[in-house]
Amino acid sequence: ETGVTQSPTHLIKTRGQQVTLRCSSQSGHNTVSWYQQALGQGPQFIFQYYREEENGRGNFPPRFSGLQFPNYSSELNVNALELDDSALYLCASSLEYRQETQYFGPGTRLLVL
Amino acid sequence: DQQVKQNSPSLSVQEGRISILNCDYTNSMFDYFLWYKKYPAEGPTFLISISSIKDKNEDGRFTVFLNKSAKHLSLHIVPSQPGDSAVYFCAASVLSGNTGKLIFGQGTTLQVKP
Repeated sequence: ETGVTQSPTHLIKTRGQQVTLRCSSQSGHNTVSWYQQALGQGPQFIFQYYREEENGRGNFPPRFSGLQFPNYSSELNVNALELDDSALYLCASSLEYRQETQYFGPGTRLLVL
Repeated sequence: DQQVKQNSPSLSVQEGRISILNCDYTNSMFDYFLWYKKYPAEGPTFLISISSIKDKNEDGRFTVFLNKSAKHLSLHIVPSQPGDSAVYFCAASVLSGNTGKLIFGQGTTLQVKP
């Protein structure tokens, strides 16, 4: 059984640029959630995708957007990058949105200069 | 508004002794609580969970206790091992409409000394 994978592992961008992060969910999981973890903080919920539809969003602006594909892999897109977007971005998958336990990937470390 | 709080940023214990990590929450609508362990450069790893209708769940060396009246939960690790040294996150699960999301505390760094 393959776990959650994310790419790339690290990324450096400059302010104003756009970035796309990718996630492959665990086999059999149809729900993907994205979290942002700033230094010294716990992960913060960005949004969740269930069967290719966004079904919930945290307190993040619209320049954070996403997609989920038919194979349940997912992308997180961030436009007009700001310095405060520098963080670890975590993807988590679960059997379905009602399932409490989410399984996390290793994350993508984004640095915005 | 921090709905899940871990008030101790760090904890140091001797190998073989008990580690107790604490977590407080404010929202009585949380229906499930989870503990995750995180090593540097890795994602959080699920450790143990407890439903809000229970007060204890045990899995090997790990036991989670839930005190609903105090809105408090704790993770006990007995005996502690050096490999347990990591950041531990408490998380609460809430199903809001069609969204199941986790709300995390700030984390507690556990150091187990040999």
